[in-house]
Amino acid sequence: QVQLQESGPGLVEASGTLSLTCAVSGGSVSSNNWWSWVRQPPGKGLEWIGEIYHSGSSNYNPSMSSRVTMSVDTSKNQVSLKLTSVTAADTAVYHCASGSYFKWDYWGQGTLVTVSS
Amino acid sequence: QSALTQPASVSGSPGQSITFSCTGTSSDVGGYNYVSWYQHHPGKAPKLIIYDVSIRPSGVSYRFSGSKSGNTASLTISGLQAEDEADYYCSSYTSSTIYVFGSGTKVTVL
Repeated sequence: QVQLQESGPGLVEASGTLSLTCAVSGGSVSSNNWWSWVRQPPGKGLEWIGEIYHSGSSNYNPSMSSRVTMSVDTSKNQVSLKLTSVTAADTAVYHCASGSYFKWDYWGQGTLVTVSS
Repeated sequence: QSALTQPASVSGSPGQSITFSCTGTSSDVGGYNYVSWYQHHPGKAPKLIIYDVSIRPSGVSYRFSGSKSGNTASLTISGLQAEDEADYYCSSYTSSTIYVFGSGTKVTVL
């Protein structure tokens, strides 16, 4: 059973960079899965941020693609998210998720990131 | 890409069946059979309960079923149980090679 655990600073200053890591256990980041980041602002619904494959291929939500970078570290079996120029609108619970064929089979519990002004 | 439209809330009594919708466009829900549904208890990890419109993953209760007609997908929960009280989100692949989620439906068991 694949397990995902997100980690990173819970507080980021406005205009700074949000950096999160998703540690993968019970499976390999090099498997035939895409690795996605999904966020949920307080009181709102889920929003897909983007996805990355272990080869480095990626797809990002156009609404934030200019600020997003995802990466895969096969040696540490983890994936990472960087979101630059953050504002209060980026305050959310950030989930890591994985799956193939247009669905996400595994999800992390999520980590709350608050952008402070 | 706008969020798919779901009713904000649906309620039912234990044992009843409820059905709620997820409406998109021909560029997402209507264009692909890649609609999935997720059950989310706040503070927990979302759980996949339906994929490819109507397929239940192994281990998911038969009480959950999905369907699609045109640009609208639907999730039915039969034999409603207290443990079904949660938020439910649909998701669809889109013609822009990205994914979009629904606005979410809060299910309340009366």
